[in-house]
Amino acid sequence: EAGVVQSPRYKIIEKKQPVAFWCNPISGHNTLYWYRQNLGQGPELLIRYENEEAVDDSQLPKDRFSAERLKGVDSTLKIQPAELGDSAVYLCASSVPGETEAFFGQGTRLTVV
Amino acid sequence: GEDVEQSLFLSVREGDSSVINCTYTDSSSTYLYWYKQEPGAGLQLLTYIFSNMDMKQDQRLTVLLNKKDKHLSLRIADTQTGDSAIYFCAESMGGSARQLTFGSGTQLTVLP
Repeated sequence: EAGVVQSPRYKIIEKKQPVAFWCNPISGHNTLYWYRQNLGQGPELLIRYENEEAVDDSQLPKDRFSAERLKGVDSTLKIQPAELGDSAVYLCASSVPGETEAFFGQGTRLTVV
Repeated sequence: GEDVEQSLFLSVREGDSSVINCTYTDSSSTYLYWYKQEPGAGLQLLTYIFSNMDMKQDQRLTVLLNKKDKHLSLRIADTQTGDSAIYFCAESMGGSARQLTFGSGTQLTVLP
């Protein structure tokens, strides 16, 4: 069975441009997470979905970041406009509700120049 | 607030034991985790321990928890070059993957 799939793996954009990341979670995993990992740091949660509902988006910078999970499966995370400080690895993870383990994708490495 | 701290770097010789340490501040943490991240890859769960346990062993991995001092350690026996990676300590208050707070990671380098 495939794990969490993210695309693209790498993205380089100029500041002020928009960018979008896509995530396909493990089949049957109703809980989906987006994390941001800055260089030399651990992941920090941006948003958590239970099915199609965003139940924790307190750390999502809502002025420029948005996310959606329309049918409760795939999800996209968008940044518009991107800033230099948004350069990071964006990780998607999924889990079965209430389970101890979250499974992570390989991440999208964003570089804003 | 929640805070998880780790030392940044550790180097060991192949075949030696590695011990990676972590301190956390939230006494209400119910689960504590160790994740491994290899270059260009996502995070892989290695092991976790429930807060009412002192020790957990899983093959070459031994986790020790000192709840009084809020100190967690991961010991890797017979460290191999394939163990070179970044190791993240994480805590969860809710007892599930929903509320993970990660440390900054420890870069383990295994020298031949």
